[in-house]
Order: sequence, then structure tokens, then C-alpha cells
Amino acid sequence: KAGVTQTPRYLIKTRGQQVTLSCSPISGHRSVSWYQQTPGQGLQFLFEYFSETQRNKGNFPGRFSGRQFSNSRSEMNVSTLELGDSALYLCASSRGREYEQYFGPGTRLTVT
Amino acid sequence: AQSVTQLGSHVSVSEGALVLLRCNYSSSVPPYLFWYVQYPNQGLQLLLKYTSAATLVKGINGFEAEFKKSETSFHLTKPSAHMSDAAEYFCAATIRTGTASKLTFGTGTRLQVTL
Repeated sequence: KAGVTQTPRYLIKTRGQQVTLSCSPISGHRSVSWYQQTPGQGLQFLFEYFSETQRNKGNFPGRFSGRQFSNSRSEMNVSTLELGDSALYLCASSRGREYEQYFGPGTRLTVT
Repeated sequence: AQSVTQLGSHVSVSEGALVLLRCNYSSSVPPYLFWYVQYPNQGLQLLLKYTSAATLVKGINGFEAEFKKSETSFHLTKPSAHMSDAAEYFCAATIRTGTASKLTFGTGTRLQVTL
């Protein structure tokens, strides 16, 4: 069974731009969560989607948004990029809230 | 609010020695607990999980962890370290109801294995 895939793996953007990251969960998994990983703040929860509905949201500004499609694939969008948005963005999928999460390789976003 | 504390941001052991990585949680309700490993430039790989069945949990690559409610701990151990174990390890927790899909992570412990 294929694992969680994320595209692109690396991305360089300029301050003020917006970016969209994509995540394809493991087949059969309906829950997709997003996390931001930085050296200073560690791993922080962004949001979680289940059956196309945002079920949970972390403490991030409204510039961070996401969505989930009917095939469970998910995208997250960051608008008006700031230097501090440079991070590894990790996507994780699971069968549901009672189950463990499996992570993708991440998208490394660099904002210049 | 729940929190996860990992004691020691860096741990160094000799190859063949015991590995002990410490994790304590703070939650009003015993959570589900997980250990993940991250190799450079990669995502997180699940090592093991505790979900209220046996308190001693065995995972992949020879790792195991014991849930101790009285100590609110979930320490990770491996009897004999291998060079390939060098990586960063994260302890994580979710609460069992409500927002159980949200993982709260510790700050991570970087394991160094020396010859």
C-alpha cells in the first residue's frame, strides 16, 4: 500500500506570495492532518480534515487555510507569505480519530 | 490542556548500549501515546503506540515503551543501540475524546550513536 505523498517536496517563494501544498493520503484513510515543523517552535498542529470537513484547527492565523476533496486528498494554502512561514510542512493521514497517524515526507517551504 | 515533555534534547550512547529516551505527559485524561522517529530530510515514522491495551508496547526496530500512569510517563527503550538508530525521536499524545485526531508533540530528542 502506498504511503502518504506530498507535492512538491521543495518550494521557494518570495514574501507576499501565496503557496498551495498538496497531500494524498493512504488509500482508505479519510482523515488528513497538517503540521508545521520549525527549529524554533517544533511540531505544531495546523488543522485536520475528515470527509471534506475541517474538524479541528490549531492556533495559526487565517492566512493558513486548507481543504479536502471527495477523494480525501487535501491541500493547504498560505497567503501573503512571511519569512517566518519557512518550515517543513507535514501531512498525516489516518483512518479516523481513534487511529494512529502516518506521515508523508513533507514539503520544505523557504520564503525569501 | 495536554502537554508532552521530553527530557534531554540530545542523548548519546555507544553502539550496543541501552537506549532510554524519556517522555512525560500532562493530561487530565490518560491519552493515546506515540513515539515517532525522524531521519534527516524525511517525515515522521511511527515506532509504536499506546492506546490503553497492554502497558508495555513493542514497536518496530526493537524499540519498546512502557506506559506508567502513576508516573505519567511513556519512556522509549531499546536494549542495544545500532548506528542506524541515530535520528530524532518525538513523543506525541492525543486525548481520547473530542479532538483525538490532534497530536501534541514533545520537543524531540536527538539520539547519537557512537562506536
